[in-house]
Parts: sequence; structure tokens; C-alpha cells
Amino acid sequence: KNQVEQSPQSLIILEGKNCTLQCNYTVSPFSNLRWYKQDTGRGPVSLTIMTFSENTKSNGRYTATLDADTKQSSLHITASQLSDSASYICVVSAGLRNAGNNRKLIWGLGTSLAVNP
Amino acid sequence: NAGVTQTPKFQVLKTGQSMTLQCAQDMNHNSMYWYRQDPGMGLRLIYYSASEGTTDKGEVPNGYNVSRLNKREFSLRLESAAPSQTSVYFCATGQPVNTEAFFGQGTRLTVV
Repeated sequence: KNQVEQSPQSLIILEGKNCTLQCNYTVSPFSNLRWYKQDTGRGPVSLTIMTFSENTKSNGRYTATLDADTKQSSLHITASQLSDSASYICVVSAGLRNAGNNRKLIWGLGTSLAVNP
Repeated sequence: NAGVTQTPKFQVLKTGQSMTLQCAQDMNHNSMYWYRQDPGMGLRLIYYSASEGTTDKGEVPNGYNVSRLNKREFSLRLESAAPSQTSVYFCATGQPVNTEAFFGQGTRLTVV
């Protein structure tokens, strides 16, 4: 069964500190993985995408990693800010290359991050 | 360029009432989706439309119907609302080939 599991479920850190969120997936065939940020009361917004051949990708203070062998991804947030308080959701695209837009999106439950002053 | 526009933002229904959630996108994407999001359950796909004229059931389609009116618009209808349909509903559009989805601002629905 295709699944995406995220940990921890919730996390509280102090402003300025770093943190790492985890995403493990059992999705086959794997196409790519994307991290989203969802602020309270709003829809998710994409942070970064990881394809099979990519190991690390940065977007400002956000750095995502992917280990396709162990089927794990992480999202590292550096020098956290109060505005980083949100839910972070990992989603994996499953499907063969010729499936095109019929590929399925498998969503994780998210990690709820609270950054306190 | 508004992206994805959902209406209404909030709605309270009585059990048994019907309503239609509207969604429109101006991003020229073929794929559109309806999700519901409940605490502890994450985003769950209700219905999706890979292209104009096609619709398919997602994980939780029971109690819902959809219409892909044209490339821009994808509506979700609750024929007889139940308290179990109390949720936040999101419409999205995007390119599943690269996990990309752009979401509307959501509709918070309460069924009493």
C-alpha cells in the first residue's frame, strides 16, 4: 500500500533554532516528492520538489534531502522564525512515467511546527 | 491572476440540506481536485478531474458529486449534508506529474 509517514507529529522550538522534519514513504513506482507549508486557515503552498536523482535542494532557509534507497526525505529549517509556525506536509507522486497527469498524489499527515519567541 | 478561487469561505448547513462549492482556476491547468481536511486525517482526495470532461473518485467520494463544467471550473455538490461532512474543503489545480498543486483558500463547512 502506498503510504507517506511524517515525524514528528508536532514540534515546538525557540525562535532562531534549527529543526529537521522527517518523511518516510512506501510508494511505488516513485516519481517525485514535494514539501508543502500550510499556514493555519490557508491552503498548502509548495516549498520544494525532489526528484529521484536529487539528494539535496535548498530554498532559502529550507533545505530538503532525499534518499531514494531508504525512501526517506527530510526538511531542515535553519534559524527558525515565528513565521515558520505552520504545518509541513510531504507528498509523493506515484505512477509510471507514461501516466502523466494520471499519477496519484500520496499525502502525509504533516508535522505541526510551532516557533516560540 | 487570482490562481484558484473558491466560494464560499464559510458555510453552515443543517443536516439534509444541499449545497454546491464552487472552484475556478485561471492557471490553464488540466487537472483539478477537491480535498477535505480534518484534524489528524490530513488531506483526503474526494474527487479529481484529470482533464475537462473527465472526473474520477478519490479516497472519500461518498456523499459528494462533482461537475467539471469547463477547463476553469470544478464544482463539488453535497446533495444531503451530514454532520460527518463537517470539514475544511480545498480545491486545487496543478500538475500531478511533478506533485505540483495550487490550492484555493478553503471552505470551512459546518453541518449541524
